[in-house]
Amino acid sequence: DQQVKQNSPSLSVQEGRISILNCDYTNSMFDYFLWYKKYPAEGPTFLISISSIKDKNEDGRFTVFLNKSAKHLSLHIVPSQPGDSAVYFCAASETNFGNEKLTFGTGTRLTIIP
Amino acid sequence: EAQVTQNPRYLITVTGKKLTVTCSQNMNHEYMSWYRQDPGLGLRQIYYSMNVEVTDKGDVPEGYKVSRKEKRNFPLILESPSPNQTSLYFCASSNDRGRNEQFFGPGTRLTVL
Repeated sequence: DQQVKQNSPSLSVQEGRISILNCDYTNSMFDYFLWYKKYPAEGPTFLISISSIKDKNEDGRFTVFLNKSAKHLSLHIVPSQPGDSAVYFCAASETNFGNEKLTFGTGTRLTIIP
Repeated sequence: EAQVTQNPRYLITVTGKKLTVTCSQNMNHEYMSWYRQDPGLGLRQIYYSMNVEVTDKGDVPEGYKVSRKEKRNFPLILESPSPNQTSLYFCASSNDRGRNEQFFGPGTRLTVL
């Protein structure tokens, strides 16, 4: 049972345009969400996070939106750059578990076309 | 440099031959975790540790053991590896009960024949 779903395995976007990566979850107990970025032959690196008490968090070119009623979050990258080409994972956690346990989605491969 | 290191990076072994993948972090983090990444399944947590001598099962602990005798080290032990444990393994560490970002190691690609 996949509690965190990324339904788009891949996405291609022109350089300079907006990239939108989507993530859905089924566990209503999740209250903290994160995005990680992964380059080939490297471990994932943390990108941005959002608590369920917010509906938006911004960090430079990256913005994460959370729609709790729809159990949906999205990552917006504006403007997209070639270095953004990577696999992006969303992850979720429950406060009850003290956030030691992250549940990851299956990832979306983003390709930025120069 | 703050980092999580894993060894070996690549390993090919045979069914039943015990192996250990080491993980070490130099950030004095309390929390450490092991994940495996498989196509179409994302990253799944195997075990995690909240501190020295405190470990707990993640989503897919079967066939694995861990230990946390020192704060910096969190080895993953496969007592009798099987082909279904062929995967890409990542160790991660974090502070503040994991709410902040987890720092991941570079990964260990394991093939069990």
